Amino acid sequence: RKEVEQDPGPFNVPEGATVAFNCTYSNSASQSFFWYRQDCRKEPKLLMSVYSSGNEDGRFTAQLNRASQYISLLIRDSKLSDSATYLCAVKGFSGGYNKLIFGAGTRLAVHP
Amino acid sequence: DVKVTQSSRYLVKRTGEKVFLECVQDMDHENMFWYRQDPGLGLRLIYFSYDVKMKEKGDIPEGYSVSREKKERFSLILESASTNQTSMYLCASSFPADGAFFGQGTRLTVV
Repeated sequence: RKEVEQDPGPFNVPEGATVAFNCTYSNSASQSFFWYRQDCRKEPKLLMSVYSSGNEDGRFTAQLNRASQYISLLIRDSKLSDSATYLCAVKGFSGGYNKLIFGAGTRLAVHP
Repeated sequence: DVKVTQSSRYLVKRTGEKVFLECVQDMDHENMFWYRQDPGLGLRLIYFSYDVKMKEKGDIPEGYSVSREKKERFSLILESASTNQTSMYLCASSFPADGAFFGQGTRLTVV
């Protein structure tokens, strides 16, 4: 089983739609959680951290469910410019050190 | 702004060559990471370092080694390049509990 799993998509949604992605992780000792955005042929960019209490940044809301070991990202009022691949990342101790592991990403395509 | 700089955007090397990929960050981050990214496989962790001269294997360390002699610099070494090491290589750095920031990536082709 992969340490971090995501539905690869693609999610094809119209402009203005609300879309949600989930990401599951297997290591219950994981400590920090993040969402990244990656555009085609570019490096991943940190979108937001995910806190136990949830985190909201404009149209983006991230949540953590420790009991079920998943994090989610909700995008409201989708824009064409939101089209990208969204990667979740989990940081936790592995052998005593901070290891950052990524999911394979979920592709989002927003159409007019 | 955080800056993570990788020495080359594109690199073409021959099979059997020793290849050095350099990464420098300017944020005094303790943690540094090397990943490779391949279509359908996502970002896979090769090696990471949590402090100067400290290194830990990631999920796919075979055929690679690393060096971290100074805090700001983390080098990835392909001891003897092979065609299956053709990939996009991404370096990242972070504080221990924070998200990581990436360099622009090096697209390596081994022929």
